[in-house]
Amino acid sequence: GNSVTQMEGPVTLSEEAFLTINCTYTATGYPSLFWYVQYPGEGLQLLLKATKADDKGSNKGFEATYRKETTSFHLEKGSVQVSDSAVYFCALSDRRLTGGGNKLTFGTGTQLKVEL
Amino acid sequence: SQTIHQWPATLVQPVGSPLSLECTVEGTSNPNLYWYRQAAGRGLQLLFYSVGIGQISSEVPQNLSASRPQDRQFILSSKKLLLSDSGFYLCAWAGSNQETQYFGPGTRLLVL
Repeated sequence: GNSVTQMEGPVTLSEEAFLTINCTYTATGYPSLFWYVQYPGEGLQLLLKATKADDKGSNKGFEATYRKETTSFHLEKGSVQVSDSAVYFCALSDRRLTGGGNKLTFGTGTQLKVEL
Repeated sequence: SQTIHQWPATLVQPVGSPLSLECTVEGTSNPNLYWYRQAAGRGLQLLFYSVGIGQISSEVPQNLSASRPQDRQFILSSKKLLLSDSGFYLCAWAGSNQETQYFGPGTRLLVL
């Protein structure tokens, strides 16, 4: 079945450091890939997405490129801020659910802590 | 623009008590609706989804049930809560035939 693997957290960085959060996936077919962010005590917000190989999703300085050959979708940001502290979830959408709708398969999340 | 609401935000319930969590969506019609549970330190598990009024599909067998009495209302229920039902419950919506899901603020449930 489909699965998403994320690097273990927490990841602790100093402000303005470079961020990489690794995400690899296993799926049949050609899934769409997503990054969601969860700030403390809140729901998930869509950060970026890519729908086909070599697509690059970007938002708020974050980027991720859909790499079919390595089945990866690593999240990067050139200079993190304290306000980026949150839990980041990688997800894929592949399976059509019975009757319609798509199933999102999530990784376990990676907590990012950014310190001054 | 579309918005999604969940309530209550936080709930503490004794074991064996009933449960009703509500989710409503504004600004769209005929959305696909989803209930997820997030256990502490873990990813999200899809519990139920609905593609229309009265249509409910369950992804995992459990102590919970769901209903969709109106187009933009999705309810998660239980007749008798278990300790293992504790967690963070998230509702999400997506446009018909759309992959991207948008999440509500969540309800934190603690069963004691």
